[in-house]
Amino acid sequence: ETGVTQTPRHLVMGMTNKKSLKCEQHLGHNAMYWYKQSAKKPLELMFVYSLEERVENNSVPSRFSPECPNSSHLFLHLHTLQPEDSALYLCASSQDVGSTEAFFGQGTRLTVV
Amino acid sequence: GESVGLHLPTLSVQEGDNSIINCAYSNSASDYFIWYKQESGKGPQFIIDIRSNMDKRQGQRVTVLLNKTVKHLSLQIAATQPGDSAVYFCAENAINQAGTALIFGKGTTLSVSS
Repeated sequence: ETGVTQTPRHLVMGMTNKKSLKCEQHLGHNAMYWYKQSAKKPLELMFVYSLEERVENNSVPSRFSPECPNSSHLFLHLHTLQPEDSALYLCASSQDVGSTEAFFGQGTRLTVV
Repeated sequence: GESVGLHLPTLSVQEGDNSIINCAYSNSASDYFIWYKQESGKGPQFIIDIRSNMDKRQGQRVTVLLNKTVKHLSLQIAATQPGDSAVYFCAENAINQAGTALIFGKGTTLSVSS
């Protein structure tokens, strides 16, 4: 148990669907992140939030839309995804942006059909 | 392109042996280098970090070595146990053109047999 909870754990969606991934942390951390993990590829940083404000968008397609309503919650809204978007989506938090120790959730295994 | 990478995708060792996992990096501006471990079905977990002005740091059964001359990072695990079986990632934390965040390498899968 890392203190970072992601829901759902598994998600199957069609290319025309709209879904959202949820992440929650009650560690008092100021920074939250979304990473994408595909097979045989390094973890790819998608979004960085610090104190609820997005500080980094790593050239992610607009079909991925993050939302951080407060410092404890982070969402990733998905719409019109492609099969190549199938991956494990990991949420993480750290005390501040730039902290070396990040706490990761277990991830959401997304399959786009 | 990636600035952090690993030499070998897999490493198999016997229980009780020492393990050495290697990583090469290219971004000399990194402030910290970090090792993470990812067990099956879980997210990555922090193991140990080392500041760029150091060359060695020890933790519990783990030692990280940093050789800035050849831009090489290694993780040594003493008396490897079956519970150490996982994918190990090196990462760096530096300000680059995209901002500041952890950037991960590809990972080495460590398999420990009894």
